[in-house]
Amino acid sequence: AQSVTQLGSHVSVSEGALVLLRCNYSSSVPPYLFWYVQYPNQGLQLLLKYTSAATLVKGINGFEAEFKKSETSFHLTKPSAHMSDAAEYFCAVRTNTGTASKLTFGTGTRLQVTL
Amino acid sequence: DTGVSQNPRHKITKRGQNVTFRCDPISEHNRLYWYRQTLGQGPEFLTYFQNEAQLEKSRLLSDRFSAERPKGSFSTLEIQRTEQGDSAMYLCASDPSAGNTIYFGEGSWLTVV
Repeated sequence: AQSVTQLGSHVSVSEGALVLLRCNYSSSVPPYLFWYVQYPNQGLQLLLKYTSAATLVKGINGFEAEFKKSETSFHLTKPSAHMSDAAEYFCAVRTNTGTASKLTFGTGTRLQVTL
Repeated sequence: DTGVSQNPRHKITKRGQNVTFRCDPISEHNRLYWYRQTLGQGPEFLTYFQNEAQLEKSRLLSDRFSAERPKGSFSTLEIQRTEQGDSAMYLCASDPSAGNTIYFGEGSWLTVV
């Protein structure tokens, strides 16, 4: 079964500092990987996705992630944090079963941005 | 493209009551999903429709839960005889069969008191 593990349930950075949110995956087939962001009391918004094309994926709001097969990782980064980045971030792997495309999510990482 | 729409956004109900949530997917998305998210956890898959056919159900979906998509457009998720453990956010999502991005709605919060 495919799964993802997010290391660190809470990450705190200063405004302007580098953001690094970690995600490792487990998959027996080449994975499709996603990062979603969730603001308080809202649904999930897609940040970026890896679908076996370029290993460095650029997303919205200045975020990017690099797929590293040797490390089974798909860490999310942003060079300079902004207060508006404070949210919950979820890594997910897509599983195709029959005609469905299901997402299996990690437990999430809450990003706090301080002045 | 108006996105995935869910209502009501919030529902507070007494234990034992029935509740129903509605989801309107992105138009022309023939695949529709329901997920459940409890506090501090990632969303978990509940069920999946391709057009009007419910093709997969998670073991999380007890017999008190029923989902429908009668005309292959909007979907409803009904919870009968609610329990406090049902308190969660219920997320609806959709995607086109040829696509690889699943789009989520804003979610419907359920609080059972």
